[in-house]
Amino acid sequence: DSGVTQTPKHLITATGQRVTLRCSPRSGDLSVYWYQQSLDQGLQFLIQYYNGEERAKGNILERFSAQQFPDLHSELNLSSLELGDSALYFCASSVESGGWYEQYFGPGTRLTVT
Amino acid sequence: SQKIEQNSEALNIQEGKTATLTCNYTNYSPAYLQWYRQDPGRGPVFLLLIRENEKEKRKERLKVTFDTTLKQSLFHITASQPADSATYLCAPSISSGSARQLTFGSGTQLTVLP
Repeated sequence: DSGVTQTPKHLITATGQRVTLRCSPRSGDLSVYWYQQSLDQGLQFLIQYYNGEERAKGNILERFSAQQFPDLHSELNLSSLELGDSALYFCASSVESGGWYEQYFGPGTRLTVT
Repeated sequence: SQKIEQNSEALNIQEGKTATLTCNYTNYSPAYLQWYRQDPGRGPVFLLLIRENEKEKRKERLKVTFDTTLKQSLFHITASQPADSATYLCAPSISSGSARQLTFGSGTQLTVLP
């Protein structure tokens, strides 16, 4: 158990809908990362927050947005969903920001768009 | 563009042998490189981190090397066991604005045969 929690575990929704994925980092970790993993794309970095502020952006679509709250939990919002958005979404956390800090991954949310 | 390549998508070896996984990167110079293990449907788990000024790092049966001239990292598992069967991801850290981010390779699926 990494200490990172994600809800829900599974989500099935229709095209055009909007969903929110939630992540609670490990106790004491200030940095939260979101990743998307699909079969043909591997693990893709979406966005990072550090202590409530956006720190870095990866391949995140404009239809997606995220935020980190004062209690350090984070939410990833996906809107106008398309079939291609079906994937595993992982949240990870690290104590600080930077490539020299190991990341602890949550169990993921499996999103299926029908 | 920056690129990460991990050797062959799948690697099968006999129990007790040493597994060697390769990670090559092009068009950037990471200061750190991390290796993760991922089991099907689960989040990646951190294994080892190596810095650019370190040639080699060990942890129990695991060994990582980092050759910045060849732009390559090798990941070794000695005395491999069936329980080592998983996908192994390398993740060099790259710069993205003020942050250094991890970019994950597509992974090598290792199967250790009893």
